[in-house]
Amino acid sequence: GEDVEQSLFLSVREGDSSVINCTYTDSSSTYLYWYKQEPGAGLQLLTYIFSNMDMKQDQRLTVLLNKKDKHLSLRIADTQTGDSAIYFCAESGGGFKTIFGAGTRLFVKA
Amino acid sequence: GAGVSQSPSNKVTEKGKDVELRCDPISGHTALYWYRQSLGQGLEFLIYFQGNSAPDKSGLPSDRFSAERTGGSVSTLTIQRTQQEDSAVYLCASSLLGQGMTDTQYFGPGTRLTVL
Repeated sequence: GEDVEQSLFLSVREGDSSVINCTYTDSSSTYLYWYKQEPGAGLQLLTYIFSNMDMKQDQRLTVLLNKKDKHLSLRIADTQTGDSAIYFCAESGGGFKTIFGAGTRLFVKA
Repeated sequence: GAGVSQSPSNKVTEKGKDVELRCDPISGHTALYWYRQSLGQGLEFLIYFQGNSAPDKSGLPSDRFSAERTGGSVSTLTIQRTQQEDSAVYLCASSLLGQGMTDTQYFGPGTRLTVL
């Protein structure tokens, strides 16, 4: 079945760039997403990319998609302590079912 | 309300007891989803409701789990004869249409269930 994998932890210093990586198996994925979960809160959609795009930039966030390798990354420029959270990669084929990864816990050291 | 709400926020129960978890979706959203989030695991899809259609129950892990959605709005997830492995955060999400990216899922804060 479909699977989404990502590393569980990432630690960066404040001001540095963070890069969170994700791989997925479903070649029919149409939409790929990054969600952010802060402590005690639900998931919040950060950004998304269509499968026919290679890159999407939104302020400090840059999403890169390598469809051939089924690899998605999220780059956060000038990482701040407020960026500390769990980041989930997810994919869907356009239907209702979205497959989520286990989440990458980002630690930002001051 | 302004967002998806869930209650209770925390639930501690004894093994073998039944629990009910409630989700109030965003008003007007036709699609509602339940997920389970275990420590170190991704979100596990449980069940999906779309309008008046029959729900997709393909993610329910056993027949001890059931869910209903009354009047196309509030949903209740029921776990009967709880087991320790049921301990997790149960997340509810709703979306306007239930189809694809044009239809963002909005998540509630979750219910943390602990089975002793």
